[in-house]
Amino acid sequence: QVQLVQSGAEVKKPGASVKIPCKASGYNFINYYIHWVRQAPGQGLEWLGIINLSDGGTDYAHTFRGRVIVTTDTSTSTVYMELSSLRSEDTAVYYCAREAPATYKFDYWGQGTLVTVSS
Amino acid sequence: EIVLTQSPGTLSLSPGERATLSCRASQSVTSDSLAWYQQKPGQAPRLLIYGASSRATGIPDRFSGSGSGTDFTLTISRLEPEDFAVYYCQQYGSSGYTFGQGTNLEIK
Repeated sequence: QVQLVQSGAEVKKPGASVKIPCKASGYNFINYYIHWVRQAPGQGLEWLGIINLSDGGTDYAHTFRGRVIVTTDTSTSTVYMELSSLRSEDTAVYYCAREAPATYKFDYWGQGTLVTVSS
Repeated sequence: EIVLTQSPGTLSLSPGERATLSCRASQSVTSDSLAWYQQKPGQAPRLLIYGASSRATGIPDRFSGSGSGTDFTLTISRLEPEDFAVYYCQQYGSSGYTFGQGTNLEIK
């Protein structure tokens, strides 16, 4: 069955970076996109970016350009999201989610990784 | 960037009643790119509707989506206890993907 498995919670200091893995299984990894979406405590969903696993192409929300990088290790079917220059407002649950190309729907989601930014 | 505005912010209904949730876009959205998600506390969102009106795999037929252009609707025909949750619409446009702020469907 399709699974996206993320790592456990992280605590970071302001100014630091965090790199979150999302390990995929149960489907042909390179035939899909992986997105990153975050949710601050008690708030809604916010899209960060996407990676096309067939060619490695990426795109990011304007808000996060320059601070977020999404990469992949196809040998382990893992996608990574690195967010730098962390501030308290980045405290959130970060989700990875799968999209079949050009379907505009996130059909499977990871369980989420809580990142807490605190001094 | 296309902004999605959901209404109402909170909807209080009883099991068995009909729920109508609205999602309005700041500019026209292609129907292919409009989706709805359900999220329960402590869980990841779950895809309900894609392409504005197609149900995702395993979604009961009491959930339906409609609309075009700038106005979209999610309807739950007869609420079951497990339907009380937060619902988000989402779209894809030239500036990427955006979500509405959510509608909290609560038990009256």
